Amino acid sequence: DQQVKQNSPSLSVQEGRISILNCDYTNSMFDYFLWYKKYPAEGPTFLISISSIKDKNEDGRFTVFLNKSAKHLSLHIVPSQPGDSAVYFCAATGNQFYFGTGTSLTVIP
Amino acid sequence: DTEVTQTPKHLVMGMTNKKSLKCEQHMGHRAMYWYKQKAKKPPELMFVYSYEKLSINESVPSRFSPECPNSSLLNLHLHALQPEDSALYLCASSQATGTGWGILSFTGTDTQYFGPGTRLTVL
Repeated sequence: DQQVKQNSPSLSVQEGRISILNCDYTNSMFDYFLWYKKYPAEGPTFLISISSIKDKNEDGRFTVFLNKSAKHLSLHIVPSQPGDSAVYFCAATGNQFYFGTGTSLTVIP
Repeated sequence: DTEVTQTPKHLVMGMTNKKSLKCEQHMGHRAMYWYKQKAKKPPELMFVYSYEKLSINESVPSRFSPECPNSSLLNLHLHALQPEDSALYLCASSQATGTGWGILSFTGTDTQYFGPGTRLTVL
């Protein structure tokens, strides 16, 4: 049972534009959400997180938005850069740690 | 410093071999994790240690045997693996900020930091 889903397996964006990656979850008890970036054959790198008591957290070019009523979070990358091309996983924690299915982002120069 | 190191980076082994994967962190984290990742899939949790005690074993076959010698080190001993066990094996650690660590709790702001992984090929 996939409790954290990323419905877009891939996304292509022009360099300099905004990348929006989406994540949906089913368990209202999740209280902490994270985004990881992963290159092939490497471990995931922590990017940004948000607690369930907030609806927005910003760190440089990365902003995470949380909509608890919709059980939805999104990662905005502005401006997108070619080095951002990677697979992005969202994750959620509660009584367990759940990874989303991943979205492969390609930033086109 | 948020570094988790893993050795070796690549490992090729036969089905009758015994080998070990090693993971180390010096962030003072008290929870350490083993994950298995197949291509184009999210990481799958295998084991969790909290305060050097095995807290979670996600029904992993006994040919995988974890060990946590101290709070900085985590090993994964491999024996009689199958070709389908070929994957990227990831180690992670976190502060373990949740409560009730006899049974692991992920609540709170417990960020996991991952190592670079060991690419395992079983022939």
